[in-house]
Amino acid sequence: KAGVTQTPRYLIKTRGQQVTLSCSPISGHRSVSWYQQTPGQGLQFLFEYFSETQRNKGNFPGRFSGRQFSNSRSEMNVSTLELGDSALYLCASSLVVSYTGELFFGEGSRLTVL
Amino acid sequence: AQKVTQAQTEISVVEKEDVTLDCVYETRDTTYYLFWYKQPPSGELVFLIRRNSFDEQNEISGRYSWNFQKSTSSFNFTITASQVVDSAVYFCALRTQGGSEKLVFGKGTKLTVNP
Repeated sequence: KAGVTQTPRYLIKTRGQQVTLSCSPISGHRSVSWYQQTPGQGLQFLFEYFSETQRNKGNFPGRFSGRQFSNSRSEMNVSTLELGDSALYLCASSLVVSYTGELFFGEGSRLTVL
Repeated sequence: AQKVTQAQTEISVVEKEDVTLDCVYETRDTTYYLFWYKQPPSGELVFLIRRNSFDEQNEISGRYSWNFQKSTSSFNFTITASQVVDSAVYFCALRTQGGSEKLVFGKGTKLTVNP
């Protein structure tokens, strides 16, 4: 079956702009979580969604937001972009919310902020 | 708070050598899961193994093996007879009971296997 699909794969924005990233989970998976990966901070948790509800949020400013649709697809938005937002944004899906199961990751959206 | 430490930032070996990637974790929870993921240059994290806190049995899967020791809070990963295709960044991660999907990752170890 198809894996986690993230779009766009690469994008370049300038400071002050906003960006929306999309994630389509594996068919049947209802839980989606987002991670930011940077060379300095490594992989950091952004949010987690299940059945259109945000269940958990990481320690990021309010400029970072997300949502999940009824078909489990998810989007995240970053407003007023800063240089430090340049990162690989990874989306992961799983069947249900459970700390026991593995997450299935997409290839990520690489954002460059100039 | 949970924390995962991968002290080795980069490791370089020659093909067919054995290599061990270290992982040390911290948590006060008694119930937790440990994971290893591989990140090839394409970017996606590929799940390798999951181990729960009540199962200290070592596991072997082909050339891969994992050594879980609660006494030292370590969950080390060994690749036997390494191959060039093993070159990637490897992450150790921890998740504790509570229903959250949040994974706490180590900083990763970049493994380069040279021909």
